[in-house]
Amino acid sequence: GENVEQHPSTLSVQEGDSAVIKCTYSDSASNYFPWYKQELGKGPQLIIDIRSNVGEKKDQRIAVTLNKTAKHFSLHITETQPEDSAVYFCAASIRKTSYDKVIFGPGTSLSVIP
Amino acid sequence: GAGVSQTPSNKVTEKGKYVELRCDPISGHTALYWYRQSLGQGPEFLIYFQGTGAADDSGLPNDRFFAVRPEGSVSTLKIQRTERGDSAVYLCASSPSPSGRDGGELFFGEGSRLTVL
Repeated sequence: GENVEQHPSTLSVQEGDSAVIKCTYSDSASNYFPWYKQELGKGPQLIIDIRSNVGEKKDQRIAVTLNKTAKHFSLHITETQPEDSAVYFCAASIRKTSYDKVIFGPGTSLSVIP
Repeated sequence: GAGVSQTPSNKVTEKGKYVELRCDPISGHTALYWYRQSLGQGPEFLIYFQGTGAADDSGLPNDRFFAVRPEGSVSTLKIQRTERGDSAVYLCASSPSPSGRDGGELFFGEGSRLTVL
């Protein structure tokens, strides 16, 4: 089936600490894993993505890791800042004929306490 | 602005009424998607257009939901005989190439919040 699970559902950290969000997916053929950040009243915005030929990718304070064998992937945010507070969604692709359908996890609400 | 534009931003209607939600994608983006987001949930796929045609409508929940994209740009999501369970934020996204493939990043609009009383 097409399913992405995400944990935790809520996460609260002190400013400057790290935050980690973990996801699992069900389709072993998935090969594209984007992460989106959604602020209140806004649409989701891509913050980083990773493809299955890479195990890790980093962009400043954000890093993603992928374990294809275990079908796990994670988002790591270091040196968190209050503006990192938002809902974060992991997603995975489902291979179709002409495109890869992107399906989303249920989200993690991150609060960074100043 | 150059982003995905959705109208209306808010729509309140009564059970049984007909509703249309409009999406104006980023200029030049051939791929367009509708997702539905219920409170506290992730976006749920509804339909994907490549150009004018619906390449994948497997996410539409039932035949009360229909979407068109007649000229390969603006899309309209149509909901007939609305029910209270249709209340959600309807998100539109576009991408320069099919999602999941190279260059297929989804760019989302801010959504249309539908409330069915």
